[in-house]
Amino acid sequence: NAGVTQTPKFRILKIGQSMTLQCTQDMNHNYMYWYRQDPGMGLKLIYYSVGAGITDKGEVPNGYNVSRSTTEDFPLRLELAAPSQTSVYFCASSSTNLAGVYNEQFFGPGTRLTVL
Amino acid sequence: AQSVAQPEDQVNVAEGNPLTVKCTYSVSGNPYLFWYVQYPNRGLQFLLKYITGDNLVKGSYGFEAEFNKSQTSFHLKKPSALVSDSALYFCAVPHRTTDSWWKLQFGSGTQVVGTP
Repeated sequence: NAGVTQTPKFRILKIGQSMTLQCTQDMNHNYMYWYRQDPGMGLKLIYYSVGAGITDKGEVPNGYNVSRSTTEDFPLRLELAAPSQTSVYFCASSSTNLAGVYNEQFFGPGTRLTVL
Repeated sequence: AQSVAQPEDQVNVAEGNPLTVKCTYSVSGNPYLFWYVQYPNRGLQFLLKYITGDNLVKGSYGFEAEFNKSQTSFHLKKPSALVSDSALYFCAVPHRTTDSWWKLQFGSGTQVVGTP
């Protein structure tokens, strides 16, 4: 049981390049989330998904896109990378129990992205 | 809207002394509350949660948290801190969107600095 995995661990992009950050979970969770964390700061929600085919914006969605075609995968796409997107990106997943109570989120190890 | 506040950016603690990390909440209805820890260059790890029941919740790594309804607080505690407890700690509260989907609202984080 690997939990939440993210690839790559590190990446350097040039301004204007594009890339996809991969996230996979093997816990059959319906909820998945993408956060960014700037140095010394807290987490900001970029996008989230409540199941395959259903996504919604978080508080900082500009410059990013997501898709969710399977329960397991939730890739984050950066188009036209900018220096302001230099950050550490975390993927997380969660679920609700049978009573509808929200369970804790499980986090991946993160992707450290630098845009030069 | 559901929210949590962490009033201290940093807490310094000597090894062997008790550690307290403060969190206050603003929640409508019955609160669910979480604590997470982030060690350097790692993703967030779940420590404990309050759903209902006993006001003292025990979690991982010897941590516990006390739910206080009258003071709207959920402080994280450890009776005897270790230098290895040095990390960033986040309080969080789940909330539902207008579409009844779940998201986590994180506090700003508290950096714990342990000294020998």
